[in-house]
Amino acid sequence: AQSVSQHNHHVILSEAASLELGCNYSYGGTVNLFWYVQYPGQHLQLLLKYFSGDPLVKGIKGFEAEFIKSKFSFNLRKPSVQWSDTAEYFCAASGGGSYIPTFGRGTSLIVHP
Amino acid sequence: GAGVSQSPSNKVTEKGKDVELRCDPISGHTALYWYRQSLGQGLEFLIYFQGNSAPDKSGLPSDRFSAERTGGSVSTLTIQRTQQEDSAVYLCASSLLTGVTYNEQFFGPGTRLTVL
Repeated sequence: AQSVSQHNHHVILSEAASLELGCNYSYGGTVNLFWYVQYPGQHLQLLLKYFSGDPLVKGIKGFEAEFIKSKFSFNLRKPSVQWSDTAEYFCAASGGGSYIPTFGRGTSLIVHP
Repeated sequence: GAGVSQSPSNKVTEKGKDVELRCDPISGHTALYWYRQSLGQGLEFLIYFQGNSAPDKSGLPSDRFSAERTGGSVSTLTIQRTQQEDSAVYLCASSLLTGVTYNEQFFGPGTRLTVL
């Protein structure tokens, strides 16, 4: 079965620290990848997505992610986090013949001021 | 413009009762999804409505769960004879297109269901 794994379930950082959240998927063939964010009290919203072209994708609020096909990975990065980045982050993937994105378990990020 | 809306925002019910959860997608979006989010468990797919085609019900956990989408717009998720394990946040999302894998999903705020 197609799956998405997020290895970091809880991450705690201080402001200005660098961030990298891991995401691996199990799809073969063409894959589309997404990172969604859920800020406290808000609904899920798209941070960035990859579907073709440059494997380095830039999203909102200074986030970026790199698609590495050989590693089946789509890690999320930000060079310097802010307190306002405290949120739950979800990686998702679709493809392999399915139009329905599969989500990872999510990573809870807490940034201390 | 208006986003995806869901109602009610919170629902507390007793075990064995039926509940109906409503989703209003973004106007013009042909794809509609229901997910269930339990604490620390990520998003569990339930059902996918794809325009005029038959819905993909492969994620529904039991025959107590059903959903419909009327007129290609509003959707209702019905849970019959609720059980305590049904307690979760039920999320609805819509996308502009069907039949593609690169759709961005727009999520509603969710309905928090508590079964006592």
